[in-house]
Amino acid sequence: DQQVKQNSPSLSVQEGRISILNCDYTNSMFDYFLWYKKYPAEGPTFLISISSIKDKNEDGRFTVFLNKSAKHLSLHIVPSQPGDSAVYFCAALFNFNKFYFGSGTKLNVKP
Amino acid sequence: NAGVTQTPKFQVLKTGQSMTLQCAQDMNHNSMYWYRQDPGMGLRLIYYSASEGTTDKGEVPNGYNVSRLNKREFSLRLESAAPSQTSVYFCASTYPGTGDTEAFFGQGTRLTVV
Repeated sequence: DQQVKQNSPSLSVQEGRISILNCDYTNSMFDYFLWYKKYPAEGPTFLISISSIKDKNEDGRFTVFLNKSAKHLSLHIVPSQPGDSAVYFCAALFNFNKFYFGSGTKLNVKP
Repeated sequence: NAGVTQTPKFQVLKTGQSMTLQCAQDMNHNSMYWYRQDPGMGLRLIYYSASEGTTDKGEVPNGYNVSRLNKREFSLRLESAAPSQTSVYFCASTYPGTGDTEAFFGQGTRLTVV
């Protein structure tokens, strides 16, 4: 049973608007949550993370929100750009050593 | 600054053949991982190594073996390849700690078993 779930396989957004990617998890013992971005034929690259003791982390256009009571996190991209089009993976870190990934959401930002 | 290097990038195997996927990192990371990526399944952990000399099973270890040869290198072996092992394989490494801990990934190996 997947411990990290991304229920939306795809998302399409107009350039300049906000993109919101969602992720749910089942294990309340995760230490950190991370978002990775993946382009075709490349390995995933780290985007942003949040500690389990925080509820928000911001880095430029990217903000991650963590709702521990709902076991839910989201990634907000504002404003969205065509270069943001990629697959986004949510990941959770257990025991500071083991990463669990969701199934990914393919974001398409239309010019 | 190479980061995480995987070889080969592409491979086609016949059912029953064996092969080893190689991974090396030059970031002095303690932990290394092997993942497979399948459509709709995301990245699933096959095996990981928390430090040199130790290995542990992940979510989908059946049909695979690993070797942590030294701190830099972590190989994944398929002893008798099956079509179900057709996938894209990623190696990753990290330096675990109590701060932000991100894993760095290689470019991937696309394996097809026919």
